[in-house]
Amino acid sequence: DAMVIQNPRYQVTQFGKPVTLSCSQTLNHNVMYWYQQKSSQAPKLLFHYYDKDFNNEADTPDNFQSRRPNTSFCFLDIRSPGLGDAAMYLCATSRGLTGSETQYFGPGTRLLVL
Amino acid sequence: AQRVTQPEKLLSVFKGAPVELKCNYSYSGSPELFWYVQYSRQRLQLLLRHISRESIKGFTADLNKGETSFHLKKPFAQEEDSAMYYCALSGASYSGNTPLVFGKGTRLSVIA
Repeated sequence: DAMVIQNPRYQVTQFGKPVTLSCSQTLNHNVMYWYQQKSSQAPKLLFHYYDKDFNNEADTPDNFQSRRPNTSFCFLDIRSPGLGDAAMYLCATSRGLTGSETQYFGPGTRLLVL
Repeated sequence: AQRVTQPEKLLSVFKGAPVELKCNYSYSGSPELFWYVQYSRQRLQLLLRHISRESIKGFTADLNKGETSFHLKKPFAQEEDSAMYYCALSGASYSGNTPLVFGKGTRLSVIA
């Protein structure tokens, strides 16, 4: 009965080789988020979709892109991964964007860049 | 700008002892505060939020606007409370709600 699913759980890529991480949800939530979490650091929001509206955080590098083809799926594309992009990537969903909304997280994908 | 500070990276307590995980925030508007928890090999999940004013798994947290704090407390720690705890803040502003900002987390270790 997993509600937010991330695939794969571990991803190894080469320096500069494009990589895509995927997230799906069975909650029918309007909002989907992507966070980056490096070791011993806080999860950092990269961007989110409210339905089809894309909202990029100001300090998210251009190297990171996202696609949401439908309500259920959202993808994180890293065009040219660098060593500094190695991290845990968390997908989350919420019904809406009000301040009190609960976010539901996936298990994360750990990205290793060689 | 929003900021959440969790001063302790690691907190170790004995089973049955009281627990207090500290969280301080910086935000000029009206904050919504949350505690999220991540147990070993599990996903990050909501523990509680200040607006609900509820006790979850024996934990409570009170928003103190004067001290800009939202400390998480439990009177008697249990071994199953061992986990990573994140304090998080979302703000309301004229342009809408601001994204959730997390603290760096405190790892709670309850020793039998």
